[in-house]
Amino acid sequence: DGGITQSPKYLFRKEGQNVTLSCEQNLNHDAMYWYRQDPGQGLRLIYYSQIVNDFQKGDIAEGYSVSREKKESFPLTVTSAQKNPTAFYLCASTGQGPGYTFGSGTRLTVV
Amino acid sequence: KNEVEQSPQNLTAQEGEFITINCSYSVGISALHWLQQHPGGGIVSLFMLSSGKKKHGRLIATINIQEKHSSLHITASHPRDSAVYICATDTGNQFYFGTGTSLTVIP
Repeated sequence: DGGITQSPKYLFRKEGQNVTLSCEQNLNHDAMYWYRQDPGQGLRLIYYSQIVNDFQKGDIAEGYSVSREKKESFPLTVTSAQKNPTAFYLCASTGQGPGYTFGSGTRLTVV
Repeated sequence: KNEVEQSPQNLTAQEGEFITINCSYSVGISALHWLQQHPGGGIVSLFMLSSGKKKHGRLIATINIQEKHSSLHITASHPRDSAVYICATDTGNQFYFGTGTSLTVIP
């Protein structure tokens, strides 16, 4: 079945370390997105990519980096510059048809 | 920027009750999505609306473009409907999300 796979589901990181969250889709979708979700807040856009080798900053891009070398993959790196990285991270994609597909999320905790 | 407001923030219902969740937004949109987030965090897209009304099983979603308002209704609610329901607007350039409505249905 087509869908989005995010891994890992839970991730722990020491302060000062970079960490990369994986997002893979087999839906042949052109656009992919990374969102951050904090308790009591709506999803906030970190980065998005509408085509391979191109990506744009969202509302809260500081402290994050992405790459889009392949259509299927849109990894997100949380760098040590991100001051408050503990959150739930969701990857999503959209294609030609209607609908908006989400991954199951990665919960990142800084210890 | 599109401000998206949902109400209520929290909702507790008895099994079988009719439930309504509301969503208002501030700017013109190309589509509105209703999403369901389960306790584990995974999100499922329930509806995408650009006008009128859609129905899927016990779920009904309506949108009034002129009033910039949408509602999600659940008929004959069941404990398995317990989840967070999120309204998301698509302006054509970006998605904006409400903070969600946490629904608990008690047997």
